[in-house]
Amino acid sequence: EPEVTQTPSHQVTQMGQEVILRCVPISNHLYFYWYRQILGQKVEFLVSFYNNEISEKSEIFDDQFSVERPDGSNFTLKIRSTKLEDSAMYFCASETNRGPNEQYFGPGTRLTVT
Amino acid sequence: AQKVTQAQTEISVVEKEDVTLDCVYETRDTTYYLFWYKQPPSGELVFLIRRNSFDEQNEISGRYSWNFQKSTSSFNFTITASQVVDSAVYFCALSEVQSGGSNYKLTFGKGTLLTVNP
Repeated sequence: EPEVTQTPSHQVTQMGQEVILRCVPISNHLYFYWYRQILGQKVEFLVSFYNNEISEKSEIFDDQFSVERPDGSNFTLKIRSTKLEDSAMYFCASETNRGPNEQYFGPGTRLTVT
Repeated sequence: AQKVTQAQTEISVVEKEDVTLDCVYETRDTTYYLFWYKQPPSGELVFLIRRNSFDEQNEISGRYSWNFQKSTSSFNFTITASQVVDSAVYFCALSEVQSGGSNYKLTFGKGTLLTVNP
């Protein structure tokens, strides 16, 4: 069964450093999302991406964040200058044609900012 | 704005008991979708069910059942004869149909931690 993959599974970085979180969505999916979950809290929407552009972003997704789909397979989330409060689990999700359908979530990347 | 409330933060039951997880939602849209996801201790998010706002029929899948009531804006989830493997955090989520169909973001509740003891 096709699945969403994410790398790395765990990233430790120092405050102020840039990080790139990588996701490979399911190949025929059209909608892509990033969510984050601070430890013990709910899953929060960050950004959605469709037709090679951002379709919506949350208040969390400020100028420090960016997303890219550089080729036909990868979908990346970049945090330019990490802060302690960026420490969280980041989930990528993808979805097939016009939905909403089931969003398939990746296993997540745990980001720890020290 | 859409909102999902899961008032039960934690529930603890003994194996074989039935348990119901509550979910109440708020939306101004007439067309929307409701979801349940399971997050086991390993951390991944596992899709359980999707329901659209026009289908109030209850659904049963094995030991799982869902009760959708538009009149009370609730979408409750019942596990019958719970098992230790059901121990997880369960999230209810809502998706509104955005104009142009370019975005179906999920708004999650805070989750309910279910612990099933042997």
